Amino acid sequence: GAVVSQHPSRVICKSGTSVKIECRSLDFQATTMFWYRQFPKQSLMLMATSNEGSKATYEQGVEKDKFLINHASLTLSTLTVTSAHPEDSSFYICSARGGGARGDTQYFGPGTRLTVL
Amino acid sequence: KQEVTQIPAALSVPEGENLVLNCSFTDSAIYNLQWFRQDPGKGLTSLLLIQSSQREQTSGRLNASLDKSSGRSTLYIAASQPGDSATYLCAVRQLGYSTLTFGKGTMLLVSP
Repeated sequence: GAVVSQHPSRVICKSGTSVKIECRSLDFQATTMFWYRQFPKQSLMLMATSNEGSKATYEQGVEKDKFLINHASLTLSTLTVTSAHPEDSSFYICSARGGGARGDTQYFGPGTRLTVL
Repeated sequence: KQEVTQIPAALSVPEGENLVLNCSFTDSAIYNLQWFRQDPGKGLTSLLLIQSSQREQTSGRLNASLDKSSGRSTLYIAASQPGDSATYLCAVRQLGYSTLTFGKGTMLLVSP
């Protein structure tokens, strides 16, 4: 199957700092990428959808100025958590969809565990 | 607004048993439904994707069915193994949307 990577896999930072998480589709071009967050024992909650070269579409309740998403190329999307606070600690997962021969399947990255002290 | 419910929330079975995980959704106007597996602290692995026009999909010991009119899907796991222990998530993509709505998952434990 398709491979999606995330970097870093785990990050610990101090309150007030910004953290950037990268999501890459390694063997296909991702026309659409999605960012989710997941709290312990909870399901995935969609944060935003991004299409290459255009602004991300954020879900209701997600602060676009706090969670900056950039989808600069067909293989890379980044999520920057600005001025992180302890309540931003969560598991962040990206997914990518390529369309075409890969159809409608979303391929998920391994996730990034963010801990804000 | 689409809501996805998975029952049971947790399931523990001995190795070798056949089992069924359930997923229900409130809006039957779906584009497709997907089953995922998530190991602790890891991302999601896609298991099966069923288009709205399909009734079932099979992959190895896994069989997923879809009854769109009643808003239900089941994931059948045959001859369960300890390696099947994980959380299984059901996700629905609604017609006209590109996003997925996830259930909370069923945490499966298969004991040797």
